[in-house]
Amino acid sequence: EPEVTQTPSHQVTQMGQEVILRCVPISNHLYFYWYRQILGQKVEFLVSFYNNEISEKSEIFDDQFSVERPDGSNFTLKIRSTKLEDSAMYFCASMTYEQYFGPGTRLTVT
Amino acid sequence: AQSVTQLGSHVSVSEGALVLLRCNYSSSVPPYLFWYVQYPNQGLQLLLKYTTGATLVKGINGFEAEFKKSETSFHLTKPSAHMSDAAEYFCAALSHGGSQGNLIFGKGTKLSVKP
Repeated sequence: EPEVTQTPSHQVTQMGQEVILRCVPISNHLYFYWYRQILGQKVEFLVSFYNNEISEKSEIFDDQFSVERPDGSNFTLKIRSTKLEDSAMYFCASMTYEQYFGPGTRLTVT
Repeated sequence: AQSVTQLGSHVSVSEGALVLLRCNYSSSVPPYLFWYVQYPNQGLQLLLKYTTGATLVKGINGFEAEFKKSETSFHLTKPSAHMSDAAEYFCAALSHGGSQGNLIFGKGTKLSVKP
């Protein structure tokens, strides 16, 4: 069964560093999403992406964040200058009729 | 704005007992509603969804949920809990009531199953 994959499973970085979280969506899906879950809190929407552009973003998704689909298969989330409060589990999802989630990347900012 | 509320961050049942996980939504239009399950170190797996039509929806692993518009609820039930049901469960609503919107999640309910 096709699945969404994410790498790495765990990323530790220092405050102020750039990180790139990678996702490989299911191949025939058209809509892509990033969500995050801070420990002990609810899963929050960050951004949706369709037709090579952002279709919607939340207030969390500020100028420090960017997304791209560099090669038609990968879907990446970049955080330019990480802050302590960016520590969270980041989930990628892709969709045709319903959203399928990846296993997540746990980002720890020290 | 839409919101999803899950009552009880932690529910504990005995094996074989009824599972009831509560979810209420607030929305100006009837939303699409979902239940996801998350096993440790895994992603979110769709259990079931309500879009339109029959208000009682059946999902995987013997779970079902009933959409009650009058109560703005979408509670998840399973008649008989199994040890393998121990996981975290998330209720979610699709924003805008459409098929391409983003999901709004509740805080999650961790289900424990005692032997």
